Amino acid sequence: AQKVTQAQTEISVVEKEDVTLDCVYETRDTTYYLFWYKQPPSGELVFLIRRNSFDEQNEISGRYSWNFQKSTSSFNFTITASQVVDSAVYFCALTPSGGYNKLIFGAGTRLAVHP
Amino acid sequence: DGGITQSPKYLFRKEGQNVTLSCEQNLNHDAMYWYRQDPGQGLRLIYYSQIVNDFQKGDIAEGYSVSREKKESFPLTVTSAQKNPTAFYLCASSLGIAASYEQYFGPGTRLTVT
Repeated sequence: AQKVTQAQTEISVVEKEDVTLDCVYETRDTTYYLFWYKQPPSGELVFLIRRNSFDEQNEISGRYSWNFQKSTSSFNFTITASQVVDSAVYFCALTPSGGYNKLIFGAGTRLAVHP
Repeated sequence: DGGITQSPKYLFRKEGQNVTLSCEQNLNHDAMYWYRQDPGQGLRLIYYSQIVNDFQKGDIAEGYSVSREKKESFPLTVTSAQKNPTAFYLCASSLGIAASYEQYFGPGTRLTVT
């Protein structure tokens, strides 16, 4: 079975705090892709990152960083020094490499950053 | 500006009526998708199309229909057979159907059926 679990339904932080959003996935495929998307209040999903299963290097992009660990089937997302503009729902998603481009989404984590 | 447009942003219909949601992209992408989002849930795939005149059912296709007559356009019809049509609908596209391609999303249409 293919599944993505985002156990944190809602997180509330004060501006400038660091916050980590957890993502745990299940798949029997050896090759797959993991994604993070951001959904601001406007509703559109914004692509943040794609990672393939053979690349376990962590990635940093400005205040964003991602920690991919195959041993624990996790792909966690950290925002450093959070800002109010980071308030959104964040989705983790999985696509197995075989077959078509089917995104399997987690339920999302709603992040509220307060001034 | 390249992107995906969905119209309208809000749509209201009476129960028993069919309604068509528009999705247009000018990214020259071959593949297009329709997702449904319910409160507190992730997105679920309704239909996808990898090329003009071809489309396939996703996980929750019952009560929906699509067409792909042009590369740029992938309209979704929510029929009266859909038992719970009130939801947020998102259209997406990608360069191809392979899993490595990221999907780009439109702004969504919020459908309310009463």
